[in-house]
Amino acid sequence: ETGVTQSPTHLIKTRGQQVTLRCSSQSGHNTVSWYQQALGQGPQFIFQYYREEENGRGNFPPRFSGLQFPNYSSELNVNALELDDSALYLCASSLGSPGQNYGYTFGSGTRLTVV
Amino acid sequence: DQQVKQNSPSLSVQEGRISILNCDYTNSMFDYFLWYKKYPAEGPTFLISISSIKDKNEDGRFTVFLNKSAKHLSLHIVPSQPGDSAVYFCAASPSTSGTYKYIFGTGTRLKVLA
Repeated sequence: ETGVTQSPTHLIKTRGQQVTLRCSSQSGHNTVSWYQQALGQGPQFIFQYYREEENGRGNFPPRFSGLQFPNYSSELNVNALELDDSALYLCASSLGSPGQNYGYTFGSGTRLTVV
Repeated sequence: DQQVKQNSPSLSVQEGRISILNCDYTNSMFDYFLWYKKYPAEGPTFLISISSIKDKNEDGRFTVFLNKSAKHLSLHIVPSQPGDSAVYFCAASPSTSGTYKYIFGTGTRLKVLA
């Protein structure tokens, strides 16, 4: 039990659709990061949220957006889905602020398939 | 441009022997490093970390070595056990912005043979 729960575990969407992925972090984990892991690759940083505000972003287009809520849950939204968006999406939360290096606890991920 | 590289996609080691997983990075601003282990159908699990002020950090069977001049780190597992079979990712982050945003390597699949 990692304490970080992601839903759904698997999802199939059609190109052009929109998707929302959800993550529930451990209590007190104010920092949450989202990663995209394509097959055979390491996780790629999408963005990070701290206390409900975006705190850094990787090399992803604006159609990738997020939200963080006061109850330590967060969402990743992807608009206008493309086939290349097919990947495992990982949520990772951390105790403390982004400037404190406590390391991350990862969820098991959501496997998104775009057809 | 891959800033964190794990050049060995796979490694097989006999049970009881040492496993050495390597990681190279290109960004001299990276000063915090993590190793994660990932089993199939699970998220990555944090193993061990090291900051650039150290050259070694040890936790039980796991030791991470950092060579800043060579921009190289390695994870040693001694003795290796069959349960260590997994994909291992190294990750690096600069801290200059006050935010830790880790860049991951592509992973090394370790297989420990009984």
